[in-house]
Amino acid sequence: EAQVTQNPRYLITVTGKKLTVTCSQNMNHEYMSWYRQDPGLGLRQIYYSMNVEVTDKGDVPEGYKVSRKEKRNFPLILESPSPNQTSLYFCASSPTVAGEQFFGPGTRLTVL
Amino acid sequence: ILNVEQSPQSLHVQEGDSTNFTCSFPSSNFYALHWYRWETAKSPEALFVMTLNGDEKKKGRISATLNTKEGYSYLYIKGSQPEDSATYLCASLSGSARQLTFGSGTQLTVLP
Repeated sequence: EAQVTQNPRYLITVTGKKLTVTCSQNMNHEYMSWYRQDPGLGLRQIYYSMNVEVTDKGDVPEGYKVSRKEKRNFPLILESPSPNQTSLYFCASSPTVAGEQFFGPGTRLTVL
Repeated sequence: ILNVEQSPQSLHVQEGDSTNFTCSFPSSNFYALHWYRWETAKSPEALFVMTLNGDEKKKGRISATLNTKEGYSYLYIKGSQPEDSATYLCASLSGSARQLTFGSGTQLTVLP
């Protein structure tokens, strides 16, 4: 089944404790991205990747890192999480930047 | 950052009513316009990807039009049903950008 998977789905952590949210797609898509969703603000892009080893900042990259060592995986890293990073996070992939995005199930992160 | 606006922010209609909402986006250097349907507790799912001025796309009772010269797109739902209740997101891609910019969505509630 073609899908985008994210793990974990839910996470409660404390300020400063490094964490990684994994994202994997099995559709051989070149374009992958991370979004955060906050009430009233819609989806805001954190980082995106046009292809392996090519990553770029989105609109809200501060406090986040990503890597794209393999085509299928695009992990999101929070080196030192802070409470303002409490949010719902979505990973998405698409064949190209203009193609329809396929979203993962979301990760709800709470930073205390 | 592109400014993508959606209106109204929320909408309540009776079952059987037809409805429409608007997405406005910068018309300069336009490349593509996406519509997504986002049900509560699920992930956004693509409805349409539109690129040409005058494009009109249809999927069942849902259709969309695109005016790239004036920078707007309409989403229409004919004969709304309770299962159409969701948040409808639009996203714009400009030719120079490599990222989608999402609007904050229109939350539709269809009352039985």
